[in-house]
Amino acid sequence: EAGVVQSPRYKIIEKKQPVAFWCNPISGHNTLYWYRQNLGQGPELLIRYENEEAVDDSQLPKDRFSAERLKGVDSTLKIQPAELGDSAVYLCASSLEAGLAEEQYFGPGTRLTVL
Amino acid sequence: GQQVMQIPQYQHVQEGEDFTTYCNSSTTLSNIQWYKQRPGGHPVFLIQLVKSGEVKKQKRLTFQFGEAKKNSSLHITATQTTDVGTYFCAGRYSSASKIIFGSGTRLSIRP
Repeated sequence: EAGVVQSPRYKIIEKKQPVAFWCNPISGHNTLYWYRQNLGQGPELLIRYENEEAVDDSQLPKDRFSAERLKGVDSTLKIQPAELGDSAVYLCASSLEAGLAEEQYFGPGTRLTVL
Repeated sequence: GQQVMQIPQYQHVQEGEDFTTYCNSSTTLSNIQWYKQRPGGHPVFLIQLVKSGEVKKQKRLTFQFGEAKKNSSLHITATQTTDVGTYFCAGRYSSASKIIFGSGTRLSIRP
């Protein structure tokens, strides 16, 4: 069974440029998460989807970040414009369902460097 | 806001020594999960604890959830070089709340 797929794996851009990350969750997983992980820190949730509905986006900086999960499968996270402080690893995770018992499967992440 | 504190930040041990990382919350947790992240890798789920006072074992790893469900620990007996990585706890306060990750404990091992 394929795991969570993310692309690109690495991205280097200049500040003020836009960038987009793509995630394909494990087949059949209804819940999808986007996390940001800064160096030496734990993952920080940006947004959580239940199917195509964003149920928790309280930590998403909505002035520059946007996300979508069309048809409740693949998801895209966009930053426009990027700032120096956005440099981090962006992790996508999926789980079979929400609730207390879900185990999250993480993708390899996209390492973003903003110059 | 709700926070999950994890200590120590780093631990450097001789191969064969034991290792323990601790996770604490000021508020009662519904459950807690533990993940391992190898250097350059992504977090991988290890286990979930739900019940007060719960203890689970996976070979050399022992996971505990406190009686008050405010703290948890991961203990590794006789560390091996394959144990190198960062161990994260992740707590949830209710079925409707998000999972909050601790800052992790990075384990390095002297062969």
